[in-house]
Amino acid sequence: DAKTTQPPSMDCAEGRAANLPCNHSTISGNEYVYWYRQIHSQGPQYIIHGLKNNETNEMASLIITEDRKSSTLILPHATLRDTAVYYCIVRSHTGTASKLTFGTGTRLQVTL
Amino acid sequence: EAGVTQSPTHLIKTRGQQATLRCSPISGHTSVYWYQQALGLGLQFLLWYDEGEERNRGNFPPRFSGRQFPNYSSELNVNALELEDSALYLCASSFLENQETQYFGPGTRLLVL
Repeated sequence: DAKTTQPPSMDCAEGRAANLPCNHSTISGNEYVYWYRQIHSQGPQYIIHGLKNNETNEMASLIITEDRKSSTLILPHATLRDTAVYYCIVRSHTGTASKLTFGTGTRLQVTL
Repeated sequence: EAGVTQSPTHLIKTRGQQATLRCSPISGHTSVYWYQQALGLGLQFLLWYDEGEERNRGNFPPRFSGRQFPNYSSELNVNALELEDSALYLCASSFLENQETQYFGPGTRLLVL
């Protein structure tokens, strides 16, 4: 699975959009971009994933660049409850490599 | 729809003892994954079970083992506990046909004294 690079921490004011970047320059054609988040001491929560096209669901939007070497997770209106560590993960769906390889993630602090 | 459940929530053992952790996947999911998250460290993949068989294993010693039952629930067993086994143990489940989305349980926090 391709390696990802994320900033260690970010701050965001409540009500504003939080834009979390992720670099995955070695991503291969069959690898998806996944985002999870982990609120302190809880199990990771799935947010969104995509292959090429931008994706949106009730939680967030995922913007993937045309060359697929980077992506941005957007929380449109951050709340205090969005304070968490956000993990960007790149993996394929084939073979026995079904494990998720978590990096160090981005610690997002949402403030009043 | 009920999520992934794990038991117990907390477990305290002493060095050399054995620990058994349990996981019930989301209804209809056939794959169960185990991860370890030691304090201050990232999640490390332990084991993957599907249809009762071990499909993949992370870089952990053989004293970490598990099994999956016919109802797709799973147990993780850790023998000869060491202090560094203290961690949050997380279970996730998914459809095998839809491997991409793993849903996690709340975890079992194991403390080895």
